[in-house]
Amino acid sequence: EAGVAQSPRYKIIEKRQSVAFWCNPISGHATLYWYQQILGQGPKLLIQFQNNGVVDDSQLPKDRFSAERLKGVDSTLKIQPAKLEDSAVYLCASSLVVWRADTQYFGPGTRLTVL
Amino acid sequence: GENVEQHPSTLSVQEGDSAVIKCTYSDSASNYFPWYKQELGKRPQLIIDIRSNVGEKKDQRIAVTLNKTAKHFSLHITETQPEDSAVYFCAACIVNRDDKIIFGKGTRLHILP
Repeated sequence: EAGVAQSPRYKIIEKRQSVAFWCNPISGHATLYWYQQILGQGPKLLIQFQNNGVVDDSQLPKDRFSAERLKGVDSTLKIQPAKLEDSAVYLCASSLVVWRADTQYFGPGTRLTVL
Repeated sequence: GENVEQHPSTLSVQEGDSAVIKCTYSDSASNYFPWYKQELGKRPQLIIDIRSNVGEKKDQRIAVTLNKTAKHFSLHITETQPEDSAVYFCAACIVNRDDKIIFGKGTRLHILP
């Protein structure tokens, strides 16, 4: 079974620039999550999609972060403009159904460095 | 909302000894508690989980215990091996409600030769 795919794996930008990350979940997984993992901390949920609808985006800094999941499959997460504190690994995860957190699988992540 | 505290932040044990990592949670409605292992530069991977209807679960050298009254749960690794060195995250979730997984801050486990 193919896993969760993410790209790019690494990105270095200067503050105030924009960046976008892409995620392709496991085939058939209805739920998709974006997490931010700052060095030395656990993953923090940014946004959760069920198919192409948003279930939870309470921790998404909406003044600069946006995410979409067109057609309920792939998803993109955008930061515009980036700040130094956005340096982190951005993890995408997917699960089979929203009420089965034990089927959640993580992608390899995108390591973002903001200079 | 849910808050998960994890201790210790760093743990060093001799190879072959046992390691214990403890977590507490705040929302008594939490009913699912997964543990993840994250090796350096890699993604978190689920290693064991427990639901609120059981008090203990074991899988070879790994076990998890849950005390719902005290709202704490622990990961136990016996006969530790070098490949156990990693960062371990506990998490809590309310399945069938918001299904949001809240992670602890992690424990860096070092297995000493």
